[in-house]
Amino acid sequence: GNSVTQMEGPVTLSEEAFLTINCTYTATGYPSLFWYVQYPGEGLQLLLKATKADDKGSNKGFEATYRKETTSFHLEKGSVQVSDSAVYFCALSDFQGAQKLVFGQGTRLTINP
Amino acid sequence: EPEVTQTPSHQVTQMGQEVILRCVPISNHLYFYWYRQILGQKVEFLVSFYNNEISEKSEIFDDQFSVERPDGSNFTLKIRSTKLEDSAMYFCASRLAGDTDTQYFGPGTRLTVL
Repeated sequence: GNSVTQMEGPVTLSEEAFLTINCTYTATGYPSLFWYVQYPGEGLQLLLKATKADDKGSNKGFEATYRKETTSFHLEKGSVQVSDSAVYFCALSDFQGAQKLVFGQGTRLTINP
Repeated sequence: EPEVTQTPSHQVTQMGQEVILRCVPISNHLYFYWYRQILGQKVEFLVSFYNNEISEKSEIFDDQFSVERPDGSNFTLKIRSTKLEDSAMYFCASRLAGDTDTQYFGPGTRLTVL
């Protein structure tokens, strides 16, 4: 079945550091790929998405490129801020059935000033 | 901006009791979902609901669970006889009907079974 594997956390960085959170997937067909973020005490919010190979999703300075050849969707940001501290979830859905989301285990990111 | 809401934010119950978790999806959305996250584990799909019926369910969603859209705005998850292992954060989500439409999540209900 479909699955998502995320970089183990927690990740701690200093403000203005470069961020990469790795995400790889296993899927049949051509899934859509997502990054969701969960800020403390809040629900899951869509951060960005990509629906086909070579698409780049971007939002709030974060980017991720759908790489079919490496089955990856790594999240990057050039200069992180304290306000980026949150848990980040990589997920996929497919076009079959109910299009349920399959999530990675989540990566807790802490940014220190 | 429209959002998915969930009540209560935290529910504490005794093992064996019935609980109902409530969600109000975004008003023009057609697909509804429940997911759960046991502390420290992945967010897991439970069930999806479309056109007043279950469209897909996971192995977790056994006979103890049921969903309902009682009045055209609420979407509920009922657990008939709670077990300790049902303790988790339960998220409701909704989306429009297009193939690439995003699922929008509520803030979650934390269920604690004692």
